[in-house]
Amino acid sequence: GQQLNQSPQSMFIQEGEDVSMNCTSSSIFNTWLWYKQDPGEGPVLLIALYKAGELTSNGRLTAQFGITRKDSFLNISASIPSDVGIYFCAGQTGNQFYFGTGTSLTVIP
Amino acid sequence: SQTIHQWPATLVQPVGSPLSLECTVEGTSNPNLYWYRQAAGRGLQLLFYSVGIGQISSEVPQNLSASRPQDRQFILSSKKLLLSDSGFYLCAWSVGTSTRRGTQYFGPGTRLLVL
Repeated sequence: GQQLNQSPQSMFIQEGEDVSMNCTSSSIFNTWLWYKQDPGEGPVLLIALYKAGELTSNGRLTAQFGITRKDSFLNISASIPSDVGIYFCAGQTGNQFYFGTGTSLTVIP
Repeated sequence: SQTIHQWPATLVQPVGSPLSLECTVEGTSNPNLYWYRQAAGRGLQLLFYSVGIGQISSEVPQNLSASRPQDRQFILSSKKLLLSDSGFYLCAWSVGTSTRRGTQYFGPGTRLLVL
């Protein structure tokens, strides 16, 4: 199946720093989604984007749906220790969802 | 509100034994349902999805099968487990794919260890 290019693969940052990660695809998507997964648990939806160019915030998280519909980014401002986890992007077209390979985030107190 | 349940949470099975993992969704009707496997190292591999009762699409040929006996119930099965079937199995449901506002929600997962 199709896989999205997600970067960076991992990040080690100091508490309080901002974080940025992105996903690109060769295909156009109708929807971009961002998830966070803690160890041993299912991914939890953070932000859903439905329109090209859309910029959406959820607390300290901000995500954008790229204007070409082939990319999206997620920013986390003022990181805190509980932000630790793996972040996944996903693109939706038809009945299927395609996932990035994940960004592992470590926050150093 | 909608909730998705999976059980069991953890399972240890011998090679060659059968498997049955169950997923149920509450609070919505006629959802699309999905089974994914997540091996160590994060990637999500789509195994099956269903757009309605009795309708199953298989993405990866293997010794697993899926069934949807009721609108909000999705079952992942195997007649004989292999060592390579070990992994973290995630069930998900989605809404809005026909409106181009598709959103997908995941269950808590089942950790399967085949020995």
